[in-house]
Amino acid sequence: NAGVTQTPKFQVLKTGQSMTLQCAQDMNHEYMSWYRQDPGMGLRLIHYSVGAGITDQGEVPNGYNVSRSTTEDFPLRLLSAAPSQTSVYFCASSGQGWNTEAFFGQGTRLTVV
Amino acid sequence: KQEVTQIPAALSVPEGENLVLNCSFTDSAIYNLQWFRQDPGKGLTSLLLIQSSQREQTSGRLNASLDKSSGRSTLYIAASQPGDSATYLCAVINDYKLSFGAGTTVTVRA
Repeated sequence: NAGVTQTPKFQVLKTGQSMTLQCAQDMNHEYMSWYRQDPGMGLRLIHYSVGAGITDQGEVPNGYNVSRSTTEDFPLRLLSAAPSQTSVYFCASSGQGWNTEAFFGQGTRLTVV
Repeated sequence: KQEVTQIPAALSVPEGENLVLNCSFTDSAIYNLQWFRQDPGKGLTSLLLIQSSQREQTSGRLNASLDKSSGRSTLYIAASQPGDSATYLCAVINDYKLSFGAGTTVTVRA
């Protein structure tokens, strides 16, 4: 069982570069979301999706874009990377409604220099 | 805004001792609460999910309780082992979003 798969695992970007973090799940889950984890601040919600074609902003959406064209994939795009976006990024998915267990990917460690 | 607090931030115990980890939240209108384990440099592994209608959930040596009215959950780990050393996170779910505490880092000494 693959579960939630994130790529890449590590990435170094220069300030101003753009990139896409990939997230895919094979559990046919409707709900997917992106979080960032920073020391001393816990995990904070960036964007989330309740189904294909539907996305919404979370707590810290600035500088990030998402789209959900399929049930399986939920990519996160950094438009113009900034050092403040250095963080560990996690993708999560959950089944019918958030009343079911959430599963997380292994994370992408991003450094912006 | 939902605020989730975990106390203590760190805990060190000798092997065999029972662990008690606390989680409190400010908005009791939650769908459910989930406990996770995170090893250094790794992702989050789900331990237990307690739905809002439940008061507790058990899995092996783990037992989690939920008191929605007081905004509290407690994770008990019986007979701790060095392999239990990790950071434990609780997350409450409402309005389709998970709100996390900062975690409790547990060290079990052999």
